[in-house]
Amino acid sequence: DAGVIQSPRHEVTEMGQEVTLRCKPISGHDYLFWYRQTMMRGLELLIYFNNNVPIDDSGMPEDRFSAKMPNASFSTLKIQPSEPRDSAVYFCASSLVAGTGRNSPLHFGNGTRLTVT
Amino acid sequence: QQQVKQSPQSLIVQKGGISIINCAYENTAFDYFPWYQQFPGKGPALLIAIRPDVSEKKEGRFTISFNKSAKQFSLHIMDSQPGDSATYFCAASANYGGSQGNLIFGKGTKLSVKP
Repeated sequence: DAGVIQSPRHEVTEMGQEVTLRCKPISGHDYLFWYRQTMMRGLELLIYFNNNVPIDDSGMPEDRFSAKMPNASFSTLKIQPSEPRDSAVYFCASSLVAGTGRNSPLHFGNGTRLTVT
Repeated sequence: QQQVKQSPQSLIVQKGGISIINCAYENTAFDYFPWYQQFPGKGPALLIAIRPDVSEKKEGRFTISFNKSAKQFSLHIMDSQPGDSATYFCAASANYGGSQGNLIFGKGTKLSVKP
């Protein structure tokens, strides 16, 4: 398997623009997670899905952030409008049925480095 | 109470030495403690994990030591190698009445192993 695939790898945009990050989970994984990584805050869980349904979005920082999972093989994280403080590395991860790393590990993609100027 | 506090923030070790990274938690409901390893430009990957029914788990040169009473756990890397240079994250999660809790990550330790 190719692992979790994220695109783009790098995104540079101007403040106020819409940004869409994409993720393809590992086939057969029922859980999908979006994390944000910064030096100050480390790895933060933004939202996670089970069988394409959002389960917990309490980590989404504000209404400017939204995430969707229209099918088992694709998810998006959208920021509209983007702000400089959104600059971070955004990771997508997936895991098997048991989820949340308990009985199966999280498999992370290589991330999208977002820079908002 | 949901936090996992990790130290040190960075660590430099000579090749062949022992690397030690520590984590502490407050939530007594945590019952799963993994360590993830992250290389530059890559996502984190599971390295080793422990549950509180044992005090130590060893996989090759990597050992987790767990102290339930002190609510602390640590990663020891024996005979550290330059290839071990990476960022290490501890994490914890809880099982709330059968409901899977999310993994809470520490802020990471950047390890550099000098040749």
